[in-house]
Amino acid sequence: EVQVLESGGGLVQPGGSLRLSCAGSGFTFSSYAMNWVRQAPGKGLEWVSIISASGGSRYYADSVKGRFTISRDNSKNTLDLQMNSLRAEDTAVYYCAKGQFSANYYMDVWGKGTTVTVSS
Amino acid sequence: QTVVTQEPSFSVSPGGTVTLTCGLSTGSVSTTYYPSWYQQTPGQAPRTLMYSTSTRSSGVPDRFSGSILGNKAALTITGAQADDESDYYCVLYLGGGIWVFGGGTKLTVL
Repeated sequence: EVQVLESGGGLVQPGGSLRLSCAGSGFTFSSYAMNWVRQAPGKGLEWVSIISASGGSRYYADSVKGRFTISRDNSKNTLDLQMNSLRAEDTAVYYCAKGQFSANYYMDVWGKGTTVTVSS
Repeated sequence: QTVVTQEPSFSVSPGGTVTLTCGLSTGSVSTTYYPSWYQQTPGQAPRTLMYSTSTRSSGVPDRFSGSILGNKAALTITGAQADDESDYYCVLYLGGGIWVFGGGTKLTVL
């Protein structure tokens, strides 16, 4: 079964840092782009970032550019999101989503999410 | 800033048909934006319904269909069922590695 599983969420103070991880299984991790998508409490989905299958291309939403860094380790089938200079508005459930990023462009498998709370 | 628009809410009767739309503040939505649709019930992760405008994801019943209607992407549910009551999100690929989600449509089946 194709699965992705997030971890690393928690409570962090404004201005602090947090690193999220996502483990992929049941598919050839190194062949697929991977995304982070977040959802603030009571709000809609917001695309955050994508990294290509090789890790050579990375893209970010304007709201996180310069503060968040996406990375992957294809030898370990893991995806990370390093979040720095966190703000209250970064409070959200963060979903990892396996992506299609060539002939088609969409997210096809979603994790259950990990919760990040930015508060003093 | 590009905004993707969706109806905030919609209501449909059981067995009825409803069409949710996905528009773009900067102009028309076409297949080149690769519109995709996601279903989410409260407290759950999103589920992929449709991609590349009109291709159903694995396991999605054929009462869900996707299209371009006028200048918007559209998701049509034919023969709505009680468990279709969910939030529905579209997302458009703007190119250059950038996606934008719509604000979501809360569908009520009653």
